[in-house]
Amino acid sequence: EAGVAQSPRYKIIEKRQSVAFWCNPISGHATLYWYQQILGQGPKLLIQFQNNGVVDDSQLPKDRFSAERLKGVDSTLKIQPAKLEDSAVYLCASSLDRFGSYNEQFFGPGTRLTVL
Amino acid sequence: GNSVTQMEGPVTLSEEAFLTINCTYTATGYPSLFWYVQYPGEGLQLLLKATKADDKGSNKGFEATYRKETTSFHLEKGSVQVSDSAVYFCALSDLDSNYQLIWGAGTKLIIKP
Repeated sequence: EAGVAQSPRYKIIEKRQSVAFWCNPISGHATLYWYQQILGQGPKLLIQFQNNGVVDDSQLPKDRFSAERLKGVDSTLKIQPAKLEDSAVYLCASSLDRFGSYNEQFFGPGTRLTVL
Repeated sequence: GNSVTQMEGPVTLSEEAFLTINCTYTATGYPSLFWYVQYPGEGLQLLLKATKADDKGSNKGFEATYRKETTSFHLEKGSVQVSDSAVYFCALSDLDSNYQLIWGAGTKLIIKP
């Protein structure tokens, strides 16, 4: 079974530039999560999708971050414009469903973003 | 609200030493508890989990027991290897968190040969 795929693995940009990350979850997984992980901290949930609908985006800085999952499969996360404090690893995870024993999350390798 | 507290790292041990990484939680309900591991340059992997009080999760020689009376889920391994060097995260999920994972800050483990 293929795991969660993410690209790119690394990205270096200058502040005020734009960047986009892509995630392809495990086939059949209805729930998709984007996390931001700053060095030395636990992951912070940015947005959670159930199929192609947003379940929770309460911690997404909507003035600069956006995410979509148009066909309920793969997803993109965009930052425009980037700030220095956006330097982090962006993790994508997926689970069969949101609840109970189906909500075990499987993580991709992450995208390490450096904003200069 | 729900929260998870882990012992601060880094934890440095010699190979074959006994490992304990402490994790305590605060939750109003009956959470499921998890340990995730992050090897250098890789994503997070589920190491083990427990879904109810007194359950013991185990995997790859690691164990953790869900202790409701002490609200703890400490990670243990009897004999660590250099390959166990990684960052370990304790997490919980329950109805109050809408089944989202609430994470600890992580504990970096360094095993010296």
